[in-house]
Amino acid sequence: DVKVTQSSRYLVKRTGEKVFLECVQDMDHENMFWYRQDPGLGLRLIYFSYDVKMKEKGDIPEGYSVSREKKERFSLILESASTNQTSMYLCASSSWGGDEKLFFGSGTQLSVL
Amino acid sequence: QKEVEQNSGPLSVPEGAIASLNCTYSDRVSQSFFWYRQYSGKSPELIMSIYSNGDKEDGRFTAQLNKASQYVSLLIRDSQPSDSATYLCAVNRRNGGYNKLIFGAGTRLAVHP
Repeated sequence: DVKVTQSSRYLVKRTGEKVFLECVQDMDHENMFWYRQDPGLGLRLIYFSYDVKMKEKGDIPEGYSVSREKKERFSLILESASTNQTSMYLCASSSWGGDEKLFFGSGTQLSVL
Repeated sequence: QKEVEQNSGPLSVPEGAIASLNCTYSDRVSQSFFWYRQYSGKSPELIMSIYSNGDKEDGRFTAQLNKASQYVSLLIRDSQPSDSATYLCAVNRRNGGYNKLIFGAGTRLAVHP
């Protein structure tokens, strides 16, 4: 069974903390994505990666960075968490040449206090 | 104007009826269109993809695409209470040689017995 695993389901952090969200996929997918989901705004793309050590900015990269040192792992980093980064974060992966079908992880609900 | 627009709903239909979900998009060069279903508290899952003008049927689901009108729809026949979920329309956007999926905010469907 294919799987995208996010390290935490719920996370509470304080303003100014550095936050790491981890995502691991076991499907040997080349593409990995980080989205955030907010009520009324839908899913918005933060960063994506099409290969190891490669990253591209999505639509809302400000305040975030990413790391992809291994094919199966894609990390999202909040350098200095702020309250407006309270959100549901979803990791997804897909394969090259497919129908752009995304496989999503179960999400991390991050609260920044 | 949002790139992908959906009515937020809720769309309420009786069990056994046809549910019609609509989506418009702004980028004329988009070629791939998707419908994801998201149950409350869960991550999105792909239910339909469509690439050509016309209808595509899969079981009780029919996706319709009209590129001239920049319009995508999803019909659910014989709606069941288990179809109650948020339906996300997604459109590909080509950016710098990469394809990215842009999501609408979703339409919440409620099927009542």
